Amino acid sequence: NAGVTQTPKFQVLKTGQSMTLQCAQDMNHEYMSWYRQDPGMGLRLIHYSVGAGITDQGEVPNGYNVSRSTTEDFPLRLLSAAPSQTSVYFCASSYKPGPYEQYFGPGTRLTVT
Amino acid sequence: SQKIEQNSEALNIQEGKTATLTCNYTNYSPAYLQWYRQDPGRGPVFLLLIRENEKEKRKERLKVTFDTTLKQSLFHITASQPADSATYLCVLETGANNLFFGTGTRLTVIP
Repeated sequence: NAGVTQTPKFQVLKTGQSMTLQCAQDMNHEYMSWYRQDPGMGLRLIHYSVGAGITDQGEVPNGYNVSRSTTEDFPLRLLSAAPSQTSVYFCASSYKPGPYEQYFGPGTRLTVT
Repeated sequence: SQKIEQNSEALNIQEGKTATLTCNYTNYSPAYLQWYRQDPGRGPVFLLLIRENEKEKRKERLKVTFDTTLKQSLFHITASQPADSATYLCVLETGANNLFFGTGTRLTVIP
């Protein structure tokens, strides 16, 4: 199993550009989520999904969209990039919502200039 | 709002000693709590989960306690090794499928 994969590993965007961060898992997990990690702050939940076709907002959803058309994939879309979205983004999955181990991807380091 | 405090940003400890990391939380009563390890440039890796009705959990050299009265969890690494050097994250479940992460404690084990 590859676990949770994310692409790209690094990305530089100009303000106003849009892009999609890809996330996939091959463990047939129901629950998937996106976090951002900024210096001096804990990981913050952006969006999550409890199954295909179901998504919901986390703590910091503004400026981001998600969709979950399959169990495996959970892309994160930046609609119009802003310098405040410069961060490291992690995708995670778990068997179900609740008291289960979260498996994290390797992260995407995004810089918006 | 939820608040998680991990005892210090950095903790240095001599190899072979027991490292104790603290996680205090306010304004919430989580049904469970998790600890993760994060190495530089990598995603967090799960270590242990403890539920509110469990006082203590162990896994090899790791031990976690959960005191819901004090609103505190302690994470212990016994016989610490340089390979244990990493940032350790305390994570609370806050219901509604949400997890809240602490900012972490960076542990350095000195040979």
